[in-house]
Amino acid sequence: NAGVTQTPKFRVLKTGQSMTLLCAQDMNHEYMYWYRQDPGMGLRLIHYSVGEGTTAKGEVPDGYNVSRLKKQNFLLGLESAAPSQTSVYFCASSYSSGTDTQYFGPGTRLTVL
Amino acid sequence: AQSVTQPDIHITVSEGASLELRCNYSYGATPYLFWYVQSPGQGLQLLLKYFSGDTLVQGIKGFEAEFKRSQSSFNLRKPSVHWSDAAEYFCAVGPVLIQGAQKLVFGQGTRLTINP
Repeated sequence: NAGVTQTPKFRVLKTGQSMTLLCAQDMNHEYMYWYRQDPGMGLRLIHYSVGEGTTAKGEVPDGYNVSRLKKQNFLLGLESAAPSQTSVYFCASSYSSGTDTQYFGPGTRLTVL
Repeated sequence: AQSVTQPDIHITVSEGASLELRCNYSYGATPYLFWYVQSPGQGLQLLLKYFSGDTLVQGIKGFEAEFKRSQSSFNLRKPSVHWSDAAEYFCAVGPVLIQGAQKLVFGQGTRLTINP
C-alpha cells in the first residue's frame, strides 16, 4: 500500500515550457486535490476532483489544468510555465467529503527559470 | 470569512520542554479542525482532528489539542518534545465552501525548531 505518490520529485523548467505532474493513490479515494505551498502562505488549493471524470477549480487555478481520467490518477498540467509557478506542489486524496482526513503525497519541487 | 490563523511563524524550544502551538479560527458554526505535521522534505501527515464530542483530542506522537469555542482556538500541545518533532505544523478548518464544494482551509504554518 503506497498511499499517495507523486512524479516527479523535482523538476526545473524554462519559462514557457510545459509539463505534467502525476499523482496516484491506491486507497480507492473519491476526492483528490492539488495544492501549492509557498513560504509564508501555507497550502493553497489549485484544483480538485470529487470523482473520476470530474474536476473543479480551487483558490488559485490560473495557469493550471487538471484531468482525472482514472479514479486513482490526478494529473496537473502547466501549459506555459511562468516563474510565479515556482513552488512545491502537493497532491492529496480523501475518501469522501472535504472534511475527511486528507492523505498527502511527498511533493514535487518545481523551479521555473 | 472562514479562515484560520497561526500567529507564530517560527518557534524554538529545547528538547524535553513543553510545547504549545497556537491556532485561531473564524467560522460561523462548529468547525472541523485538524492539525497536520510536515517533516522536512515530506508531505503532510494528520496528527489529530476534532469535529464533535470531547474538546480535548488525543493524536499521534503524543500530541493533543483542545477546542475552545469561546476563544475560537484549537491549540496543539505536547508535554515533552523530542528532536524528531522538528517540523512544520499546519492547522486547518472546514468545511469551507469553495467553488461549490466543501474544502479545508489551511493556516500558514508554524515551523518548530528543537534545541538539543
